[in-house]
Amino acid sequence: SQQGEEDPQALSIQEGENATMNCSYKTSINNLQWYRQNSGRGLVHLILIRSNEREKHSGRLRVTLDTSKKSSSLLITASRAADTASYFCATSYTGTASKLTFGTGTRLQVTL
Amino acid sequence: DGGITQSPKYLFRKEGQNVTLSCEQNLNHDAMYWYRQDPGQGLRLIYYSQIVNDFQKGDIAEGYSVSREKKESFPLTVTSAQKNPTAFYLCASSIGGGRGETQYFGPGTRLLVL
Repeated sequence: SQQGEEDPQALSIQEGENATMNCSYKTSINNLQWYRQNSGRGLVHLILIRSNEREKHSGRLRVTLDTSKKSSSLLITASRAADTASYFCATSYTGTASKLTFGTGTRLQVTL
Repeated sequence: DGGITQSPKYLFRKEGQNVTLSCEQNLNHDAMYWYRQDPGQGLRLIYYSQIVNDFQKGDIAEGYSVSREKKESFPLTVTSAQKNPTAFYLCASSIGGGRGETQYFGPGTRLLVL
């Protein structure tokens, strides 16, 4: 399986703190994406970073990509209780057309 | 109001029964996907379709079947051959083009076995 690994599996922080989650993958990619899932709901796309990019920002989100280490990280700054959700990375591997391979996810709990 | 709809929200299956999950999109997307999610797990690809009248098996296609007769619709049938069907099923679509485009997800269908 080419499924990526995410760590930590679970993360609990207080509101206002930063949250960092990591994703590792197996082979060369077209791009890497991060998605969010609230409990019992569908996934929502957050950000896409291409293989020739190293860092990308969107609001309070910062994503980095290190293709030499085959890893990516998602940083959520100044977290809020509403950020409580599961976060998944998804990789588009070279030569696999439109398919995405999802990681196992990080469950983030933000407490007041 | 564009998006992806899935129905029903909950579905109950009896032993030996085939059931069909509906997925409709009005985003004019070429590609559509079906995923299975087990509790506390990531998504696993069941089937995907990059264009009307064509579809390919994903990583866990056994016990499932699909059709793609219309661009907007990609129904999934869970057959009696699927021995452990209890899971959360997610449908998604993307613009297509074969380069790992952003996927847009429906709200999901939870399938339970009676």
